[in-house]
Amino acid sequence: DAKTTQPTSMDCAEGRAANLPCNHSTISGNEYVYWYRQIHSQGPQYIIHGLKNNETNEMASLIITEDRKSSTLILPHATLRDTAVYYCIVSSSNTGKLIFGQGTTLQVKP
Amino acid sequence: DGGITQSPKYLFRKEGQNVTLSCEQNLNHDAMYWYRQDPGQGLRLIYYSQIVNDFQKGDIAEGYSVSREKKESFPLTVTSAQKNPTAFYLCASSSAGTGGKTYEQYFGPGTRLTVT
Repeated sequence: DAKTTQPTSMDCAEGRAANLPCNHSTISGNEYVYWYRQIHSQGPQYIIHGLKNNETNEMASLIITEDRKSSTLILPHATLRDTAVYYCIVSSSNTGKLIFGQGTTLQVKP
Repeated sequence: DGGITQSPKYLFRKEGQNVTLSCEQNLNHDAMYWYRQDPGQGLRLIYYSQIVNDFQKGDIAEGYSVSREKKESFPLTVTSAQKNPTAFYLCASSSAGTGGKTYEQYFGPGTRLTVT
């Protein structure tokens, strides 16, 4: 499975959009990009995933570059409850295995 | 309500004792997973099972054992051979992902194990 690179930490003002970048330059053709988040001392929560096209759901939007070497998770109106560690993961649909890095700690501030 | 349950939330054991962590799901998922998380770190895969009566080692299986006798249950035993068992243990489940479908994993609340 390909590895990902994320900034260690980011701040965002409450009510503003949070844009979390992820580099996955060695991603292969059958690997999906997944985003999960983990609020302190809880289990991770699935947010969104995509293969090639941009995706949107009730929680977030996922923008994947045309060459698929990077992506951005967008939380359109961040709230204090969005403060968490956000993990970007690439995984093959053949195995289902997820390899978690250290993620980005997002701090939403009032 | 559908979901994954792990019990207990906190568990304390003496060094040298085996301990079994419970994981149950009622999501009708075929695949189940066990992860370990140390402070300030990401999750690491211990074992996973894609079907009943079958399981595979993950990246850090040494000192752990699992069974998958029922679809809804995937207990993890932390044996005395695990050199540093104190950690946060997380169980997850997902659909099997056949036919090109993807594997969103749904996680339980975790069990925090302390061995002294």
